Amino acid sequence: GDSVTQTEGQVALSEEDFLTIHCNYSASGYPALFWYVQYPGEGPQFLFRASRDKEKGSSRGFEATYNKETTSFHLQKASVQESDSAVYYCALGDRASSSFSKLVFGQGTSLSVVP
Amino acid sequence: EAAVTQSPRSKVAVTGGKVTLSCHQTNNHDYMYWYRQDTGHGLRLIHYSYVADSTEKGDIPDGYKASRPSQENFSLILELASLSQTAVYFCASSWTGNTEVFFGKGTRLTVV
Repeated sequence: GDSVTQTEGQVALSEEDFLTIHCNYSASGYPALFWYVQYPGEGPQFLFRASRDKEKGSSRGFEATYNKETTSFHLQKASVQESDSAVYYCALGDRASSSFSKLVFGQGTSLSVVP
Repeated sequence: EAAVTQSPRSKVAVTGGKVTLSCHQTNNHDYMYWYRQDTGHGLRLIHYSYVADSTEKGDIPDGYKASRPSQENFSLILELASLSQTAVYFCASSWTGNTEVFFGKGTRLTVV
């Protein structure tokens, strides 16, 4: 079945550092790709998505580019802040807007940013 | 703003007992989901529903039942709770298709 792999389980950075969280997927079809963020005590929140090859998704200074060739959707941010400390989930779903979208999540990456 | 409310927010259950987790959404969404969150496994889909009075199995349905009595309400039922079902459970809702999924704040279930 479809799957998502996040390489880093935990990432520790200082404020203003550059962030990369790696996400690779395996899918039988041509999925849409998502990033969700989960703050302590909260449920995951949609960050952004990309639906086709080379499309860039972005929100709140975070961005990721859909790469069909390398089956990747790496999350990046140029300068992290302490408030970005959270768990980040990469996910894939169906591209067709009229069909059911079961999200398949990666294992999550816990980001800790210190001042 | 879209809202998914879960109750209770935390629960301690006895092994072999029955547990019911409730979820209510005011989003007018067709789809509702129950996910389980475990460290190292991320979020895994237990059951989902796209219409009232109908539920579907997700990826890890064993040991769980679901009930969707109305568009707004979706329950997860553990008939015989086991230690391995200790986890955080999230309810979520969405429109059809690859649209944004809205999650509740979660229920922390501890089975002792």
